Amino acid sequence: GAGVSQSPSNKVTEKGKDVELRCDPISGHTALYWYRQSLGQGLEFLIYFQGNSAPDKSGLPSDRFSAERTGGSVSTLTIQRTQQEDSAVYLCASSLLAGERGEQYFGPGTRLTVT
Amino acid sequence: GDSVTQMEGPVTLSEEAFLTINCTYTATGYPSLFWYVQYPGEGLQLLLKATKADDKGSNKGFEATYRKETTSFHLEKGSVQVSDSAVYFCALWYSSASKIIFGSGTRLSIRP
Repeated sequence: GAGVSQSPSNKVTEKGKDVELRCDPISGHTALYWYRQSLGQGLEFLIYFQGNSAPDKSGLPSDRFSAERTGGSVSTLTIQRTQQEDSAVYLCASSLLAGERGEQYFGPGTRLTVT
Repeated sequence: GDSVTQMEGPVTLSEEAFLTINCTYTATGYPSLFWYVQYPGEGLQLLLKATKADDKGSNKGFEATYRKETTSFHLEKGSVQVSDSAVYFCALWYSSASKIIFGSGTRLSIRP
């Protein structure tokens, strides 16, 4: 498949534990984005990568959240000391070029539940 | 700051009914506007877009016109089908920050 893939599809964790969410963008896409979709709310922008650098981290909700991207491809979103309010669907998207006007392709998401 | 407001759902219609989902935006500059759709169990997909005022985006029988004077981008379809049941998100492209700002989504259910 040539789409954006994310793993795991579902993750249940205990409050206080760390989690890692993975995103594999479409091959050749230079820009990668993370969003969060909380129950009953819209999509919230978290962070954007151009290559391996993150010009815009403004959406990360706290310093417990971090993300990295290696080799201009796979990205990992890490949430430390998870809290119940972190429960959400985490979506990854990629686009061919940075600044490409909205042509983002989304993965299926990772549903995170913090108990 | 830039924002998107869309009508709250859920919206329930009978098959072949006319659909309108309202969307208005607040933005500095001239953003591109989008409708994304999320079918049950699937990821978000771009449905249509318009990049400048008076442009009309269209796809799968859906249309939306970029109205600068009313800062709106309402989604319409003349005759909906059961397969159109999904959550629809209006969004704008915030170019200075390279990110999309989404509305809260509208759930649409079509009765056979």
